[in-house]
Amino acid sequence: QVQLQQWGAGLLKPSETLSLICAVYGGSFSDYYWSWIRQSPGRGLEWIGEINHRGGTNYNPSLKSRVTMSVDKSKNQFSLKLTSVTAADTAIYYCAREIIVARGAFDSWGQGTLVTVSS
Amino acid sequence: EIVMTQTPLSSPVTLGQPASISCRSSQSLVHSDGNTYLSWLQQRPGQPIRLLIYKVSNRFSGVPDRFSGSGAGSDFTLKISRVEAEDVGVYYCVQATQFPRTFGQGTKVEIK
Repeated sequence: QVQLQQWGAGLLKPSETLSLICAVYGGSFSDYYWSWIRQSPGRGLEWIGEINHRGGTNYNPSLKSRVTMSVDKSKNQFSLKLTSVTAADTAIYYCAREIIVARGAFDSWGQGTLVTVSS
Repeated sequence: EIVMTQTPLSSPVTLGQPASISCRSSQSLVHSDGNTYLSWLQQRPGQPIRLLIYKVSNRFSGVPDRFSGSGAGSDFTLKISRVEAEDVGVYYCVQATQFPRTFGQGTKVEIK
């Protein structure tokens, strides 16, 4: 039974960098894509991007200039960095696993991290 | 990007009665590989988001058979044959045919 456990700073000031890590316990790391998705009252669910075990990435064009995802296969972890945050980046951030052969099948989710951007 | 539109946004249902949620995409979700990458997710209060249906009509492991997905092209439906109390929550469709992945606004299912 796979478990995704995520952590990172929950309170940021404008212009700071959001940094989150998601650890994967159980299951294969190489048979999936690993995504970050956020949820806010104003935007609903928003896909931020994905990374595979080789470090290949796809990002949402709306965030691409500020997003970096990376993977640490030795620790079965992947991470998200979002630079120059503003209040509009306030949201619950989720990491999620996506089945490669069934794209859009986000079959396992982290518990979510509330990130608040406020001066 | 593909816009996903769900209706209704709220669905009060009597226990034991069926519920149906529509999801329409702004363009066809048929991928060049022939598959249609449309999934349904459930978000219950205090629970992790859960995958219900993938590739339009495939029920994910452990999902009760009262949940079913159907549709084609740009028009999709999630049906709950007999709503139970544990089905209360918000349901989302998501497309993965094109980048960026996009979600519907969510449909809140509640008991009358």
